[in-house]
Formats: sequence, C-alpha cells, structure tokens
Amino acid sequence: DAGVIQSPRHEVTEMGQEVTLRCKLISGHNSLFWYRQTMMRGLELLIYFNNNVPIDDSGMPEDRFSAKMPNASFSTLKIQPSEPRDSAVYFCASSLDSPSTDTQYFGPGTRLTVL
Amino acid sequence: KQEVTQIPAALSVPEGENLVLNCSFTDSAIYNLQWFRQDPGKGLTSLLLIQSSQREQTSGRLNASLDKSSGRSTLYIAASQPGDSATYLCAVYILETSGSRLTFGEGTQLTVNP
Repeated sequence: DAGVIQSPRHEVTEMGQEVTLRCKLISGHNSLFWYRQTMMRGLELLIYFNNNVPIDDSGMPEDRFSAKMPNASFSTLKIQPSEPRDSAVYFCASSLDSPSTDTQYFGPGTRLTVL
Repeated sequence: KQEVTQIPAALSVPEGENLVLNCSFTDSAIYNLQWFRQDPGKGLTSLLLIQSSQREQTSGRLNASLDKSSGRSTLYIAASQPGDSATYLCAVYILETSGSRLTFGEGTQLTVNP
C-alpha cells in the first residue's frame, strides 16, 4: 500500500482565496484525522471521522474550515476564505478503526502558505 | 485539559550512545500512548504504541515504557546512529467531554553525531 496520500504537497495562495486539501486513506482503514502543525501551537487535531461520520470536530478553528468524506477512502479539508494565520502544515492520518487501540499513520502533509 | 510535556527539547549525542527521551502527561486517564518520529519536512512515523494496560513495548533498538500512575513515559534508544536524528513526539489518546483526541507533546529534537 502507498500509505496515506495527500495533495497538493505545497500550496501558496492569497488571502481570501478558497483552499482545498485532499487526502486518500490507506485501503481498509475506517478512521481519518486532519491535523495542523505550526511552530507556535505544535500539532493539533482539527477533526476525526470514523466510517465517514465526523466524530469530533471540536478542533476546527471556525466556520471558515470544513471537512468532508464523500466516500470511505477520500477526504477534503476546505478553507474559505483563507487568512495568513491559516499558514501551517496540514496532515491527514488514518487508522484501521478505533484510535483508542490502533496506530495512526500519517501522510506527508500539505504546506500551506497564505499571503 | 490534558497537557503533554517532553524533556529535553533538544538533545545531541555521539554515535553509539544509549539515550532516554522523556514524556509526561497530566491526566492519567489515557487509552494509549504513542511515540512518533518526524523527519524535517516530512510527516510523522509511528514507532511504538503502548495500550493503557501495558507497561512497555519494544521494537528493535527502541523500548518505550509507560507508567500511568505517575503520568510518565520514556523512549529508550540503544546504540544510537546518525540515522536516528529526527524529532521524536509522544502523544496520548484520551477521551474528553469535548471528544476523543490524540494530544501531542512539543517533541524532542535529537541529533546523533557521527
């Protein structure tokens, strides 16, 4: 398996533009996580899905952020409108099923820069 | 709110040395604890996962221990190599009223000098 796949790897955009980040889970995994990593705040969970259903979205910063799982193997994280403070590395991770027992496997990340 | 602390923030050792990285957490009601490795510009790679009922896990030159009652975990690396140079993060999985989540420490940046 190729592991968790994220695209794009790098994104540079201007403030106010819409940004869409994409993630493909490892085949057979049922849980998906979106994280954000910054120097100031470290690694933070944004949202967690299990079997396509959002279980915990309390980490989503505000209404400008939205995440979807249109099918069992794919997810998008959308920021609209983007702001400079959204600049960070965004990671997607998946696990076989329950994160309370299963290892999370991370993608390579998307480095987002909002000018 | 769970807080995870890693000490030291940075560590530099000569090749071949055995070393210990420390992780502490404030709430002992955890489901599991994981150690990850992050190379510059890359994602995280899971090294070891210790369930709350376990006390240690081993993989090759790595050994991780867990003491829930004291809120501590250690990652022991034997016979360190330059290829071990990376940032090591520990994370605890907990269930809070606001939801379940993996809470990360800030990491220990390890440099192994040839």
